[in-house]
Amino acid sequence: TAGITQAPTSQILAAGRSMTLRCTQDMRHNAMYWYRQDLGLGLRLIHYSNTAGTTGKGEVPDGYSVSRANTDDFPLTLASAVPSQTSVYFCASSDSVIGGTGELFFGEGSRLTVL
Amino acid sequence: GQNIDQPTEMTATEGAIVQINCTYQTSGFNGLFWYQQHAGEAPTFLSYNVLDGLEEKGRFSSFLSRSKGYSYLLLKELQMKDSASYLCAGVDSNYQLIWGAGTKLIIKP
Repeated sequence: TAGITQAPTSQILAAGRSMTLRCTQDMRHNAMYWYRQDLGLGLRLIHYSNTAGTTGKGEVPDGYSVSRANTDDFPLTLASAVPSQTSVYFCASSDSVIGGTGELFFGEGSRLTVL
Repeated sequence: GQNIDQPTEMTATEGAIVQINCTYQTSGFNGLFWYQQHAGEAPTFLSYNVLDGLEEKGRFSSFLSRSKGYSYLLLKELQMKDSASYLCAGVDSNYQLIWGAGTKLIIKP
């Protein structure tokens, strides 16, 4: 079982360039999330989607956009990358529609370096 | 504001017992999660507590006291593979997860 697949695993990006991190799940979960993880800080929610066709802003949404055209895919786009977006990005899903009380299943992460 | 506090790092000996504490301040409360994260890997679910008391799951147990805003994760019979970061996350009234920075657990032989 694949679970959640993220791509790319790692990427170095020049500041000002755009980048899309891909996330696909095969568990038919309604809710999907994008987090960033930085040293010394807890996971911070960027954007979320409770069901296909809807998205919402998390704690740190600026500079990022998402779409949820179908249940399985939840791509995260950086329109114009800045060095402060250097981080490890995790995609996650949950079968809890309202979010928060369902177990989260995480992808393996995408390590992004913006120079 | 909302906050999750847990120690940054702990060290324990193989075969021993270790308790990782977590205190939380959230607007409303709908439960508390513990996740395990090995270095360079994704977090994986360990436990979810919403009622007071201790829940045991093999070598791992999780405790919650809602009146004290406190939880702990208890790991028994420590193994080297338990070396990892342990993430505490509270669920607020809007069902949003508030994450702690994680506790790095180092196991020594």
